[in-house]
Order: sequence, then C-alpha cells, then structure tokens
Amino acid sequence: QKEVEQDPGPLSVPEGAIVSLNCTYSNSAFQYFMWYRQYSRKGPELLMYTYSSGNKEDGRFTAQVDKSSKYISLFIRDSQPSDSATYLCAMSDAFGNEKLTFGTGTRLTIIP
Amino acid sequence: KAGVTQTPRYLIKTRGQQVTLSCSPISGHRSVSWYQQTPGQGLQFLFEYFSETQRNKGNFPGRFSGRQFSNSRSEMNVSTLELGDSALYLCASRDQETQYFGPGTRLLVL
Repeated sequence: QKEVEQDPGPLSVPEGAIVSLNCTYSNSAFQYFMWYRQYSRKGPELLMYTYSSGNKEDGRFTAQVDKSSKYISLFIRDSQPSDSATYLCAMSDAFGNEKLTFGTGTRLTIIP
Repeated sequence: KAGVTQTPRYLIKTRGQQVTLSCSPISGHRSVSWYQQTPGQGLQFLFEYFSETQRNKGNFPGRFSGRQFSNSRSEMNVSTLELGDSALYLCASRDQETQYFGPGTRLLVL
C-alpha cells in the first residue's frame, strides 16, 4: 500500500463548479501538507501548504487537513478553465524536509 | 529571477547506456532535489543536495547518483539504463519556504 493515496481521476466539471480533490495517507509522521498544480509539459508549482489540522484559504482555494482521519482536501471555488491541470498532494514529516511524498495526482478538466 | 532550468528537455537512450541530466537552480538557492515522475508511481524522491553534500536520499538503486557543484548547479547520472527508467526527471530548488520545480527532462529508454 502506498503511503499517500490519491484518486487519479480524470475529473471533469463545468466552469463555475466547486471542485473537491482528496488524498489519504497512512504515515502518522506526516506533519506538513502541500498541494501542487502541474500543467502539461511543466513542473509542479506550489499552490498551498499547511501544517495543522483545519482549513486554510487562499483566494478561490481552500486546503483542509484532518489528521485524525489522515485525510486532506483541496477545494476550488468558481472553477475556471485555467484551473485545468493535474493536482498533486504532497507531504513530509517536517517543515524544510526536502523528502516529499507525493500522491499520483488527479487530472482535472474544467469545461467552459 | 530566472526559474529552475533543466537540460536537456528530451532524451532518448537505449538499454545499458548511461545518461547525465543537468539542473541549474534559482539564483541564491543552495538546495537542489531530484524527483522521478512516472504515470504509475507519480513523483518519487531521488535525492537532495545542499552545499555540495547529499543530505537526503530516496529508495532508488545505486545506479542513480548525483552531485552538486560549488555554484549549486546539480547533475544526476543514471548508469546501465533500464526500460523502467523512462520517466520525467524533475529538479527543484528551494528558498526558506517553497520548492520550485523545473520543467523536467523527459527520458525515454528503448
């Protein structure tokens, strides 16, 4: 079993919809959680990071962490066609630890 | 500021050959990490270099090696290539909070 599980999708939603992306993990040592976005033929770019249970909001994006359930989510409100990309969750056991463990990514398409 | 650059962007090799990939981090960044990305396994951590020293290593065989130079540029080498080494190899450099990825080198092993 992988340490981080992520539904690969693909996921297609109409423009303006709320998108929910999720990851589960098994390693209770993970304390630092990130979401990356990867466009085709590009490297991943960091969207958000958090290190505590609860919600963190940044514009249309909200990251949610539930350490008791070992479950993290990324919500995208008012989704736009430019949000079409692969979304990767990543985790590490400490801030600054370069050894990130990634989910396999969810491919998201926003339909205009 | 220029982003992380990787060369070459695409590479085709045959089994048994070796390959060297190059990464130039963002100016001022001293930490460079390497990842392998495949459709089945996703992104997997290879190793991290900081100030020319390997600081962390993932679970890859010894055929995968790397080094970092005094200007923070890094290279990774894969010897005796296998078909399963076909992947996108990503390099990332970081500042205090954020890891910045390059566009990757896509390696195809035939």
